[in-house]
Amino acid sequence: NAGVTQTPKFRILKIGQSMTLQCTQDMNHNYMYWYRQDPGMGLKLIYYSVGAGITDKGEVPNGYNVSRSTTEDFPLRLELAAPSQTSVYFCASSSDPWQNYGYTFGSGTRLTVV
Amino acid sequence: LAKTTQPISMDSYEGQEVNITCSHNNIATNDYITWYQQFPSQGPRFIIQGYKTKVTNEVASLFIPADRKSSTLSLPRVSLSDTAVYYCLVVLNNAGNMLTFGGGTRLMVKP
Repeated sequence: NAGVTQTPKFRILKIGQSMTLQCTQDMNHNYMYWYRQDPGMGLKLIYYSVGAGITDKGEVPNGYNVSRSTTEDFPLRLELAAPSQTSVYFCASSSDPWQNYGYTFGSGTRLTVV
Repeated sequence: LAKTTQPISMDSYEGQEVNITCSHNNIATNDYITWYQQFPSQGPRFIIQGYKTKVTNEVASLFIPADRKSSTLSLPRVSLSDTAVYYCLVVLNNAGNMLTFGGGTRLMVKP
């Protein structure tokens, strides 16, 4: 059981480039999330999805886009990368949040924008 | 969302019991208290969750007083591998609720 898988693990982007961070879960969870974590800080919610075809903004959505075409996949798209987007990105998933608050996190993608 | 306050850092020694207290003065009736653990270069990991009184699992215990305005995560006999950041979160028991992470408590366990 792989849980939540994120690719790539590391990436260096130049300013203005774009990329997609991949996230896949095999637990049939309805809820999926994208967080970013800046050095020494807590996690901030970028976007979330409560099921296939449904997405919504979190605390810091600017500069990002998401889609949820299947239950398993929740890719995060960065358009026109900026140095402020240098961070570690975590994808997470959960079953019904009000029954079980245990989120399963991926191992993260470390992104540097230069 | 209920705001949480917890110590920025704590030091301990191997074999000691560690108690990390979190205050959440404006917790609502339907809110649960949840703790996560994060090791360097890894995503957070769910440790324990509770609503009131005491909850215990194989990793930790969670103590919640009757007024629920604070909670204490207790780690028995810590080892070096318990060095991590511990996050206290208050989670609304309702559809669409999302986890909001603060800065957490950096626990350093020394030999």
